[in-house]
Amino acid sequence: QQQVKQSPQSLIVQKGGISIINCAYENTAFDYFPWYQQFPGKGPALLIAIRPDVSEKKEGRFTISFNKSAKRFSLHIMDSQPGDSATYFCAATNTGNQFYFGTGTSLTVIP
Amino acid sequence: EAGVAQSPRYKIIEKRQSVAFWCNPISGHATLYWYQQILGQGPKLLIQFQNNGVVDDSQLPKDRFSAERLKGVDSTLKIQPAKLEDSAVYLCASSLLEVSSGGIQETQYFGPGTRLLVL
Repeated sequence: QQQVKQSPQSLIVQKGGISIINCAYENTAFDYFPWYQQFPGKGPALLIAIRPDVSEKKEGRFTISFNKSAKRFSLHIMDSQPGDSATYFCAATNTGNQFYFGTGTSLTVIP
Repeated sequence: EAGVAQSPRYKIIEKRQSVAFWCNPISGHATLYWYQQILGQGPKLLIQFQNNGVVDDSQLPKDRFSAERLKGVDSTLKIQPAKLEDSAVYLCASSLLEVSSGGIQETQYFGPGTRLLVL
């Protein structure tokens, strides 16, 4: 059973556009929702994370929107750049327990 | 700060052979994870250590996979015998619990992974 469902599988965005990746979860015990960025040949790296007590968190061009009642959260990349081209994974955990990862979204930003 | 180190970076073996991967976590990180990442999928937890004790190994195929973390620092993951479906990237991560204004946060730091191809 997939604990965290992620969409779309792939995304192509023009430079300067907004990239939006969505995730949904079922387990209401999850209390920490990180997003990871992975470049080819590298391990995932933490990009930004949120806790369910806030509805939005912004760090630079990256924003997480969180809807606790709908059990959904999304990553928004503003002013997308070619250097943002990577695979993005959402994840969820109940702190201290295992992390569950989405299936990943391959983002391509066209110059 | 040095990151999570893994070796080897690549390994090609034939099915039924054995293979071992090594991980050196970030100094001071008590929790260590081994993940399997199949092409096009997210990382799947194989085993989680807290110091030298196992916290969760429910998804580790114990008939062929084994892992240890002697002395609570370095860890090795072994596959014996390997199957074709074991072809994947094996990621090691370590984590630290941090207290911030938002509460307690566990940040995982991943190594570069070992890419295994079983022929």
